[in-house]
Amino acid sequence: DTAVSQTPKYLVTQMGNDKSIKCEQNLGHDTMYWYKQDSKKFLKIMFSYNNKELIINETVPNRFSPKSPDKAHLNLHINSLELGDSAVYFCASSHGSTNIQYFGAGTRLSVL
Amino acid sequence: AQSVSQHNHHVILSEAASLELGCNYSYGGTVNLFWYVQYPGQHLQLLLKYFSGDPLVKGIKGFEAEFIKSKFSFNLRKPSVQWSDTAEYFCAVNAGNNRKLIWGLGTSLAVNP
Repeated sequence: DTAVSQTPKYLVTQMGNDKSIKCEQNLGHDTMYWYKQDSKKFLKIMFSYNNKELIINETVPNRFSPKSPDKAHLNLHINSLELGDSAVYFCASSHGSTNIQYFGAGTRLSVL
Repeated sequence: AQSVSQHNHHVILSEAASLELGCNYSYGGTVNLFWYVQYPGQHLQLLLKYFSGDPLVKGIKGFEAEFIKSKFSFNLRKPSVQWSDTAEYFCAVNAGNNRKLIWGLGTSLAVNP
């Protein structure tokens, strides 16, 4: 009954590979987000979807492509992985104008 | 551009000491303010929030924060910390009518038993 769930929790892969991270929320929220947290704990917004429409698209390499098949899901596909992509990726969701964001447990991506 | 500044990057305290973490933001209009906590190896959780009303807000685990509009500040306080408060603390601001949170760089708190 986890509110915001991400899979996988850990992802170890080689440079140049393509990988996907999935996120699902069962809170009935209308907005979902992807964040990247680096080794210094700096949290950076990457993308946000509201009702399946892209509303935030920060300066992120084109190798990162989000997809939102419906309001409850937001996936992140990464092409041609690079060493610098190693980080923890957090999914979050929120509803309405309060913008209280609820976070998933994170996906720790290690690119070797 | 809107920004959030957390003054203390690393704080080390002994148990029972009092805590105050600074947070300042730059935006002249209406704001929603948040403090999130990230325990080691875990995800971010909401500690407390301010939208309107009483500028002194109370959150979970004995934390409170005070919104001082004239100082553009939203400092986090706890009278007596515990070892279990060891975590990363993030201040965030939602400015204007949009879905984006502006995040501070975080403060790492270590509480020694």
